[in-house]
Amino acid sequence: QKEVEQDPGPLSVPEGAIVSLNCTYSNSAFQYFMWYRQYSRKGPELLMYTYSSGNKEDGRFTAQVDKSSKYISLFIRDSQPSDSATYLCAMSFGNDMRFGAGTRLTVKP
Amino acid sequence: GAVVSQHPSRVICKSGTSVKIECRSLDFQATTMFWYRQFPKQSLMLMATSNEGSKATYEQGVEKDKFLINHASLTLSTLTVTSAHPEDSSFYICSARRGGFSSGANVLTFGAGSRLTVL
Repeated sequence: QKEVEQDPGPLSVPEGAIVSLNCTYSNSAFQYFMWYRQYSRKGPELLMYTYSSGNKEDGRFTAQVDKSSKYISLFIRDSQPSDSATYLCAMSFGNDMRFGAGTRLTVKP
Repeated sequence: GAVVSQHPSRVICKSGTSVKIECRSLDFQATTMFWYRQFPKQSLMLMATSNEGSKATYEQGVEKDKFLINHASLTLSTLTVTSAHPEDSSFYICSARRGGFSSGANVLTFGAGSRLTVL
């Protein structure tokens, strides 16, 4: 079993849809949870990070962490074609950081 | 916000030559820097972790003599691909972590990546 599981997709939605991206993990020691967005041939850029459990909202993006279930989510409201990218979840404890495989999202106009 | 600059963004070289890629944290001191390799449509593959002033820790299967990593200062780490061959062609990405106890200290900031093509 991988430490971090993320469905690679691809995921295709119409413009304006609500997108739900998820990751599960096995290491209960993880404390920081992050979501990165990566456009083709670019480095990942940080979207949001959360420490421990809870929700965090930033504009159209909401990150949720449920440590009891070892499950994290990223919701994108009113999705736009410019949101089309690969979304990577990441989590860390100390120097140990693990990434999900990334989910390829396409938002169609 | 934290910014990491990676240079060059694209490099083409002949087989057998060495290529150096630089990773700089522009507005913060990075206690730890990471180097990744990414193949098309695949996720990041961690190659090595480097802490300023000490030897890099390489992931299993990564050749230390092939991929030389130097982290001489808190703002600069370099990856040198020695005696490059076509199979080394890939997208190399660095990231840096501030460390410490401030908010976001453990979050990674990535460089824009360097595309290496070995002919």
